[in-house]
Amino acid sequence: EPEVTQTPSHQVTQMGQEVILRCVPISNHLYFYWYRQILGQKVEFLVSFYNNEISEKSEIFDDQFSVERPDGSNFTLKIRSTKLEDSAMYFCASSDTYSGANVLTFGAGSRLTVL
Amino acid sequence: QKEVEQNSGPLSVPEGAIASLNCTYSDRGSQSFFWYRQYSGKSPELIMSIYSNGDKEDGRFTAQLNKASQYVSLLIRDSQPSDSATYLCAGGGYNKLIFGAGTRLAVHP
Repeated sequence: EPEVTQTPSHQVTQMGQEVILRCVPISNHLYFYWYRQILGQKVEFLVSFYNNEISEKSEIFDDQFSVERPDGSNFTLKIRSTKLEDSAMYFCASSDTYSGANVLTFGAGSRLTVL
Repeated sequence: QKEVEQNSGPLSVPEGAIASLNCTYSDRGSQSFFWYRQYSGKSPELIMSIYSNGDKEDGRFTAQLNKASQYVSLLIRDSQPSDSATYLCAGGGYNKLIFGAGTRLAVHP
């Protein structure tokens, strides 16, 4: 079964450092998303990406985040100048446009720990 | 602010019983609604999708949507201990899916 692949599975970083999280969406999917989930809290939307550009972003996105699709398969999330409160699980998801609705398939997540 | 609201639970049901999970949403523009299951430390996994008013059944799961009341529900029949997880309600469109905080379900033998 096709899956969304995320790397790294766990990253530990020092406060103030930049972090890049990587995702390989399902190959025929056209919509890509990043969500984060702070421990014990809800799955929070960060950004959606379609046709090589951001289609929607959260209010906090521009403060610290950026996304890129550097090649035909990878989709990355960059977190600038990490803060303690950025410690969370970051999920990448993708969806196709064939089923008529945005059924998101999630990756296993990247756990970020900021010290 | 577009919101999806769920009772956090825990909802405790005995094995074999029906579990009923509910959700309300604020954005009348939402077109698609989903129920995801999330085990602790894992990513959300799709259980059901529903797009039009009424019921949709898939095995032991039935989703119900009432757009006039902005209400979505999930029934799990013959609940099993393996169903113990957090159930996330989500709604939105292609550009954005908003998740509720989830309802924790505990099925006890």
